[in-house]
Amino acid sequence: ETGVTQTPRHLVMGMTNKKSLKCEQHLGHNAMYWYKQSAKKPLELMFVYNFKEQTENNSVPSRFSPECPNSSHLFLHLHTLQPEDSALYLCASSSDRVNTEAFFGQGTRLTVV
Amino acid sequence: DQQVKQNSPSLSVQEGRISILNCDYTNSMFDYFLWYKKYPAEGPTFLISISSIKDKNEDGRFTVFLNKSAKHLSLHIVPSQPGDSAVYFCAAGYNNDMRFGAGTRLTVKP
Repeated sequence: ETGVTQTPRHLVMGMTNKKSLKCEQHLGHNAMYWYKQSAKKPLELMFVYNFKEQTENNSVPSRFSPECPNSSHLFLHLHTLQPEDSALYLCASSSDRVNTEAFFGQGTRLTVV
Repeated sequence: DQQVKQNSPSLSVQEGRISILNCDYTNSMFDYFLWYKKYPAEGPTFLISISSIKDKNEDGRFTVFLNKSAKHLSLHIVPSQPGDSAVYFCAAGYNNDMRFGAGTRLTVKP
């Protein structure tokens, strides 16, 4: 248990569906992140939020829409995804900037059919 | 553009021996380096880190070495234990960017 909780753990969605991934941390951290891990590929940093403000968007398609209502919660809204978006989506948090020890959630295994 | 590379997808060592995991990077701007360990069905967990002003950092059985001129990072585990069997990721970062390697699967045989 790292203190970062992601729900759901598994999600299957159709290409026309809209769904959201949720991440919650109560570690008192100020930075939260979304990462994507595709099969056989490195973890890819998608979004960075620092003190609820988005500070980084690594060329992520607009069908992925993050939301950070407060420093403890982070959402990833999904719509009109493609099968190649199937991956493990990991949320992480750290005390401040991204270059420090991050605590990861267990991830959401997303399958787009 | 893979700026952090772990060229060995897997490594197998005998219990009690040394495990050496390697990582190479291309971006000289990276100023902070980390190693994470990942068990199946879990997220990565932080293991050890090193900043670019150092060339070695030790924490118990784990030591990370940084060779900036070679842009090379290594993790030594001594002695290796069966519970160390996992996938190990190296990561490098600067500013608001963090790049991960693809991981090396370590198997420690009893």
